[in-house]
Amino acid sequence: EPEVTQTPSHQVTQMGQEVILRCVPISNHLYFYWYRQILGQKVEFLVSFYNNEISEKSEIFDDQFSVERPDGSNFTLKIRSTKLEDSAMYFCASSVSDISGNTIYFGEGSWLTVV
Amino acid sequence: QKEVEQDPGPLSVPEGAIVSLNCTYSNSAFQYFMWYRQYSRKGPELLMYTYSSGNKEDGRFTAQVDKSSKYISLFIRDSQPSDSATYLCAMSVGGTSYGKLTFGQGTILTVHP
Repeated sequence: EPEVTQTPSHQVTQMGQEVILRCVPISNHLYFYWYRQILGQKVEFLVSFYNNEISEKSEIFDDQFSVERPDGSNFTLKIRSTKLEDSAMYFCASSVSDISGNTIYFGEGSWLTVV
Repeated sequence: QKEVEQDPGPLSVPEGAIVSLNCTYSNSAFQYFMWYRQYSRKGPELLMYTYSSGNKEDGRFTAQVDKSSKYISLFIRDSQPSDSATYLCAMSVGGTSYGKLTFGQGTILTVHP
């Protein structure tokens, strides 16, 4: 079964450093998402991306966050200057379209620890 | 009031039991309702999807949506130890915001042999 793959699985970074989390969505999918889950808390929507543009973003997704699709296969989340509160599991997800009913597939997550 | 509320449990049942998992929500604009299963250190995996009110059955799983009460349920029949996981409800208003899912806290389920 096709899957969303994410790297790294775990990253430890110093506060203030830049981090890039990488995702390879399912190959025929056109809609891409990032979610995050702080330990013990809900999975939260960060951003959706289509046609090389952000479609929608949450209030969490402030100026320190950015997303990019640098080539035909990767989808990245950059955190410019990490803070302790950015420590979380970050999930990439993708779907074929935004038509309601389409399955949104999640990757296994990248666990980010900011120290 | 939280947008989506879900009892985090934990819930522990014997093998073969019927499990009932529930979420309530406050946003009447939600039209699409999903249940995801999440194993430890893994990403959420879609189990069931329902549009608007009604029931949907898939094998041992039944999803129910009552929009008038803003209440959704997932029933698991003949529960198995392999069903032990965290179950997340998720909702969407649909349209161009379909992919913007709002999740519940998740209920930790353990099915013991």
